Amino acid sequence: NAGVTQTPKFQVLKTGQSMTLQCAQDMNHEYMSWYRQDPGMGLRLIHYSVGAGITDQGEVPNGYNVSRSTTEDFPLRLLSAAPSQTSVYFCASSRDIDQPQHFGDGTRLSIL
Amino acid sequence: DQQVKQNSPSLSVQEGRISILNCDYTNSMFDYFLWYKKYPAEGPTFLISISSIKDKNEDGRFTVFLNKSAKHLSLHIVPSQPGDSAVYFCAAPNAGGTSYGKLTFGQGTILTVHP
Repeated sequence: NAGVTQTPKFQVLKTGQSMTLQCAQDMNHEYMSWYRQDPGMGLRLIHYSVGAGITDQGEVPNGYNVSRSTTEDFPLRLLSAAPSQTSVYFCASSRDIDQPQHFGDGTRLSIL
Repeated sequence: DQQVKQNSPSLSVQEGRISILNCDYTNSMFDYFLWYKKYPAEGPTFLISISSIKDKNEDGRFTVFLNKSAKHLSLHIVPSQPGDSAVYFCAAPNAGGTSYGKLTFGQGTILTVHP
């Protein structure tokens, strides 16, 4: 019973490098989202998807791209990493947008 | 502009006593509120929610109270247990209604329950 799986758990990047954070869920959930958690700021929504082929921006989308080609996967791409993107990233899913979400265990990303 | 605020970064309580975690909000359009619990190195876990048409919702040891006029809600844990030690986040759907998927979170409160 995997739930929401995020890989990798930890990553260190240099400024300007690109990277994809992976998120997969095995619950056949339509809704998926990405949040970042920074000290003293709670979690902030980056991007979300209400189903395969449909994505939209959240509160802090700049510097991130997403796509949703399958129901199961929702990768988050950093095109050119910046130190301000150092954070813990959480992926979440739910059966639909009106249900509380299940969160993955996070990816801790450091940009040097 | 922080629409959901948890002004107490931490709370320490003795086992068996009551824990009260507070949350204030500024957006009167918020219709639902949720509490999430987070252990270190894990993702947040949904704990309990409340609709704005209610002033109380109870689930076992956990009760959430809502005071709409004061734009304030609180989570009560009775009795507190050491396993309750975690970070607690208050959240609200930022589009109003029940769009739980688009949440605005508070900063979180670290609860420590001492044996």
